[in-house]
Amino acid sequence: QQQVKQSPQSLIVQKGGISIINCAYENTAFDYFPWYQQFPGKGPALLIAIRPDVSEKKEGRFTISFNKSAKQFSLHIMDSQPGDSATYFCAAGTYKYIFGTGTRLKVLA
Amino acid sequence: KAGVTQTPRYLIKTRGQQVTLSCSPISGHRSVSWYQQTPGQGLQFLFEYFSETQRNKGNFPGRFSGRQFSNSRSEMNVSTLELGDSALYLCASSHGGPKNLYGYTFGSGTRLTVV
Repeated sequence: QQQVKQSPQSLIVQKGGISIINCAYENTAFDYFPWYQQFPGKGPALLIAIRPDVSEKKEGRFTISFNKSAKQFSLHIMDSQPGDSATYFCAAGTYKYIFGTGTRLKVLA
Repeated sequence: KAGVTQTPRYLIKTRGQQVTLSCSPISGHRSVSWYQQTPGQGLQFLFEYFSETQRNKGNFPGRFSGRQFSNSRSEMNVSTLELGDSALYLCASSHGGPKNLYGYTFGSGTRLTVV
C-alpha cells in the first residue's frame, strides 16, 4: 500500500530527445505527486508537482502526466540537455513522502 | 531567501558513538522532516516535527530521535551508531499546514560515515 514503483532505473538519451520516467503507486489516499531532481552531493530539488484532480501539468520543458484510474504518473523532459543529467525521484504522499527508487538520467551531448 | 541549512555537511563517527545533526528551516516554515538516503533503501522518512512536537514518525528504531526548538530549528540524534547508519541525512522544511507537502524544500544533507 505504501510503495511507489519507479522505472527505468537508468536512462540514456541523446541531446534534444525526450526523457520519460514512469511511476506507479498503490495508496489512493496520496494527494500530492512531485518529481525531484538530485545532483551528486546535493539534496533533492523540486522540479514539478501535481495534484490528483489534474491530468497534466507543464512547466517549461517538464511535463507530468497523471492517470488516477491507473494509479500512474510520469515525467516527460522535452528537448533533453546534458545539464539535465541527474537522478530523478518521483514521490507520493499525504503528510510524508514515499519516494520511488530513482532514475539515473544521462543526456549525451 | 535562505534555503534549508544542514550542518555539518560531513561526519565520520565510530561504531557505538552517538551523533547529532542540525537543520535550520526556511524562515517562516514551522515543519521539519528528516529522511535517510542510502543506495540500498533509497529515501526513507524518519520523522516530522511541528511546533516543537513530533507529529509523524517512520519505521526506524528508537536509536533515532529528534527534537525541535521554539525557533523551528531541529536536531536529529542517532545513538549507538551502527555501520548501516552510514547515509545521507536530509531534512526538509515546509509551512506545516494542512497541505504540508506543498512547498517542501530539502537541504543539501549531512553525509554520515560510520567506521
